Amino acid sequence: AQSVTQPDIHITVSEGASLELRCNYSYGATPYLFWYVQSPGQGLQLLLKYFSGDTLVQGIKGFEAEFKRSQSSFNLRKPSVHWSDAAEYFCAVGPLGTSYDKVIFGPGTSLSVIP
Amino acid sequence: EAGVTQFPSHSVIEKGQTVTLRCDPISGHDNLYWYRRVMGKEIKFLLHFVKESKQDESGMPNNRFLAERTGGTYSTLKVQPAELEDSGVYFCASSRDRSGEQYFGPGTRLTVT
Repeated sequence: AQSVTQPDIHITVSEGASLELRCNYSYGATPYLFWYVQSPGQGLQLLLKYFSGDTLVQGIKGFEAEFKRSQSSFNLRKPSVHWSDAAEYFCAVGPLGTSYDKVIFGPGTSLSVIP
Repeated sequence: EAGVTQFPSHSVIEKGQTVTLRCDPISGHDNLYWYRRVMGKEIKFLLHFVKESKQDESGMPNNRFLAERTGGTYSTLKVQPAELEDSGVYFCASSRDRSGEQYFGPGTRLTVT
């Protein structure tokens, strides 16, 4: 069955430090891949997405993610974290047409930023 | 174009009461989805409409939940009677095509006391 794992439940980084959030997926084929962010009291905001093509994807707010087919991974990175990046981050896969209409989310990684 | 909107943004009700959540998808999007995240858990799929028809309701937790999409436009999700474990954030999403990107609304935070 398809699934998404985010090994880190909670990460704390200092402001200005680099960030990498891990995501691994289990799927029968190369899925559509997404990263969403949910700030406190806010809805889900799409950071970036991968459908095909260049495996390094640029998103909003200075985030990027790299798709690695061999590792079934889609890790999110940011070179310098800002205090406003404190939020919960969700990796997601899908949909893939007639069989997989739903988006499947990982459990989320909560990011805290130390001033 | 306007995004997916949800109403209300926050609802506080007592156990046993009824609550109706509304979702207005992006105009022209035939596909409408409901998801929810109960406290501390993952965001889970509830159901999928294609126009006014329920395409997949495999994620609906029980018969206390009723979703409708009359006329294939906006959708409502009714919880009757609400239980404590229904507390969480309910998200709606829409897409033009079944294989296309889903655009999420801001969510409705439901608190059952």
